[in-house]
Amino acid sequence: EAGVAQSPRYKIIEKRQSVAFWCNPISGHATLYWYQQILGQGPKLLIQFQNNGVVDDSQLPKDRFSAERLKGVDSTLKIQPAKLEDSAVYLCASSPISGSHNEQFFGPGTRLTVL
Amino acid sequence: QQPVQSPQAVILREGEDAVINCSSSKALYSVHWYRQKHGEAPVFLMILLKGGEQKGHEKISASFNEKKQQSSLYLTASQLSYSGTYFCGTERYQGAQKLVFGQGTRLTINP
Repeated sequence: EAGVAQSPRYKIIEKRQSVAFWCNPISGHATLYWYQQILGQGPKLLIQFQNNGVVDDSQLPKDRFSAERLKGVDSTLKIQPAKLEDSAVYLCASSPISGSHNEQFFGPGTRLTVL
Repeated sequence: QQPVQSPQAVILREGEDAVINCSSSKALYSVHWYRQKHGEAPVFLMILLKGGEQKGHEKISASFNEKKQQSSLYLTASQLSYSGTYFCGTERYQGAQKLVFGQGTRLTINP
């Protein structure tokens, strides 16, 4: 079974530029998550999708971050414009069944550096 | 609210035991444990549900004390491969599927 795929793996941009990350979850997984992990900290949930609907985006800085999951499969996370404090690893995870206590499968992450 | 993990870091010799704690000020439905090696994605270890059950995964086990809202991860006879950062993720109610992760405990195993 293929794992969660993310691209790019690394991205370096200047502040105020835009950037987009892509995630392809494990086939059949209904729930998809985007996390931000700042160095030395635990993952922080940005947004949670169930199929193509948003379940929770309470911690997404909506003035600069946006995410979509068209057709309930892959997802993109965008930052526009980026700030220095956005430097972090952005992790995508998926989970097979909504409404149950299933494990989350994480992708390798995208390491973003904002200069 | 973010759970609190303790200790923040542990250094062991191979074969020694360790305990990592995860505490919450809120009532929990479940606690999830993950291990993350440097530069890699977190990997799932186990889920503990309220009720105080204990689970095991090779020489790694965990418990969940519902009264204290605390989970403990036990690593017995540690191996070099156990090195990494351990995170607990807490779920407030059944079906939430939303985890709030602790700040992590860095475990270093030396030969």
